[in-house]
Amino acid sequence: QSVLTQPPSVSGAPGQRVTISCTGSSSNIGAGYHVHWYEQLPGTAPKLLIYDNSNRPSGVPDRFSGSKSGTSASLAITGLQAEDEADYYCQSYDSSLSGLVFGGGTKLTVL
Amino acid sequence: QLQLQESGPGLVKPSETVSLTCTVSGVSISSSSYYWGWIRQPPGKGLEWIGSIYYSASTYYNPSLKSRVSISVDTSKNQFSLRLSSVTVADTAVYYCARHECSGRTCYSFSYYFMDVWGKGTTVTVSS
Repeated sequence: QSVLTQPPSVSGAPGQRVTISCTGSSSNIGAGYHVHWYEQLPGTAPKLLIYDNSNRPSGVPDRFSGSKSGTSASLAITGLQAEDEADYYCQSYDSSLSGLVFGGGTKLTVL
Repeated sequence: QLQLQESGPGLVKPSETVSLTCTVSGVSISSSSYYWGWIRQPPGKGLEWIGSIYYSASTYYNPSLKSRVSISVDTSKNQFSLRLSSVTVADTAVYYCARHECSGRTCYSFSYYFMDVWGKGTTVTVSS
């Protein structure tokens, strides 16, 4: 059971918009700690996608965006492409555990 | 170009201690701007943070693993290492090392760091 809760899977057709939620609590996201998102393509290491809730590292397309409100955060992907098919993880800090925590991951399928 | 490369034994017996090393190239591990950490991923499962270290050897550990984990840094070799003791089958996973970065205003606390560069990972299998 992950401290941050994500849907196990989401799907969408090419060109569509999908969102992935990340639900936490008052000891992590709700406490003001930032949420970061990682993309893991099949058989590869995770890659930073969004940092500090809504910032994109250099090289990440603006089709990817992040937001945070209350005890939850979301990753939105617009103009869905076949190469977006991957696992997506949110990550934050939890003050009760005094450590970094990940969501359980969401598998995105492009139909 | 910044690169991180994990190394270690692929196979370990139950109850033994596994040692992994992450060799960093392209940036000094002694830089005051970064933390360095270990993350693992059991087969078919999600990511789990193991622990992180600053060049000064200040460390943070996952409470669920703290009693079995030790992370150290060797600035002369630009490496940091993970030791996990009393391993069981549940410790079978791909182990990643990663650099932790922060952005400007939030660098005063480890809690705001994120993992901006990852190694390719090394598989550790625990089996007799």
